[in-house]
Amino acid sequence: ILNVEQSPQSLHVQEGDSTNFTCSFPSSNFYALHWYRWETAKSPEALFVMTLNGDEKKKGRISATLNTKEGYSYLYIKGSQPEDSATYLCAFPSNDYKLSFGAGTTVTVRA
Amino acid sequence: KAGVTQTPRYLIKTRGQQVTLSCSPISGHRSVSWYQQTPGQGLQFLFEYFSETQRNKGNFPGRFSGRQFSNSRSEMNVSTLELGDSALYLCASSVRDRGPEAFFGQGTRLTVV
Repeated sequence: ILNVEQSPQSLHVQEGDSTNFTCSFPSSNFYALHWYRWETAKSPEALFVMTLNGDEKKKGRISATLNTKEGYSYLYIKGSQPEDSATYLCAFPSNDYKLSFGAGTTVTVRA
Repeated sequence: KAGVTQTPRYLIKTRGQQVTLSCSPISGHRSVSWYQQTPGQGLQFLFEYFSETQRNKGNFPGRFSGRQFSNSRSEMNVSTLELGDSALYLCASSVRDRGPEAFFGQGTRLTVV
């Protein structure tokens, strides 16, 4: 069983503030780390697929970093807006064709 | 291009019945995976199919089964439904395994009464 853990479970952020949260994953047999955003009443959508140690990806105000040696990734939201309210999931693909998800971090941005 | 389509969107069944859910992946995607989400739980992996072959199955009882057709469309079946099977069932497709991101359907909300 692969342990993919996310913390914190939830975050309440004031509009305009920045925030970040963590995903930890097994550091052995690393292939990639995925981040998804899941908004209420919608499907999860991929934000980033990260493959290289030290990788940093950015999409608008959201960015992510990756440390494969120690097995963690951070997701950052800069200047949070109400539309950033969602559950953010990380997922670790293993070599047995399974994508293991963390339980997610639910972000609520208050106007 | 069309996204992942799951049918039906909502379903109410009675304990003991069986149910079949359908997933049509994005054209060209050969890998299809199924997940279960229950309140308070993350996405739990059910199974993955590639070219009509089940390559992995999650820790679910044998009442949960699936298959994939030659056009990559997939179905999952749950027999002898229990109240605890009430959940959102999500299907995801990708071009190939372990590589690019998964594309999710909108899910089927199953309620067992």
